[in-house]
Amino acid sequence: EAEVAQSPRYKITEKSQAVAFWCDPISGHATLYWYRQILGQGPELLVQFQDESVVDDSQLPKDRFSAERLKGVDSTLKIQPAELGDSAMYLCASSRDLYNEQFFGPGTRLTVL
Amino acid sequence: DAKTTQPPSMDCAEGRAANLPCNHSTISGNEYVYWYRQIHSQGPQYIIHGLKNNETNEMASLIITEDRKSSTLILPHATLRDTAVYYCIVKSAGSARQLTFGSGTQLTVLP
Repeated sequence: EAEVAQSPRYKITEKSQAVAFWCDPISGHATLYWYRQILGQGPELLVQFQDESVVDDSQLPKDRFSAERLKGVDSTLKIQPAELGDSAMYLCASSRDLYNEQFFGPGTRLTVL
Repeated sequence: DAKTTQPPSMDCAEGRAANLPCNHSTISGNEYVYWYRQIHSQGPQYIIHGLKNNETNEMASLIITEDRKSSTLILPHATLRDTAVYYCIVKSAGSARQLTFGSGTQLTVLP
């Protein structure tokens, strides 16, 4: 069964450093999502892509976060500089299109020291 | 999208049916009910969704009341591996908006 791949699975960094996360969606899925999940809470959307275009990035802290999906396939989420409050699980999901169910990857757990 | 209300936690004996309720009293006619679950330290997993008819798949059954103000997710024979946080989410048909997760229900299946 096809799965969403994410790497790394775990990342520890110091505040003010840059970090990057990678996501490879299920083949053929046009829509890709990045979510952030703080411990004890549900995931919250950061950015949503349809192919290579951003559909919604209203919740993305653009002063430090950036996301790209240059060829409309895999995607990278970057944080620069990282802050203590960025410690969370970063989840990637994909769906066939904007209206179908989403499939999630295993996530990247970020710890900022 | 309509808001949902779920109990924060539930227990269920292994092998018994787990019935997880969700209240969505402000749901509108074109909004679907989705269920996802998240096992500890993993990404959420899609379970099932429905509009107004009851739905069943290999994982679970979804029962939606006639007035659509509430629904129940049923895991017919719960196993220890079903221990997870279960999220009930309401989303408009044809909406490109993201899933809005609440706090969910922590289901613990007891041996």
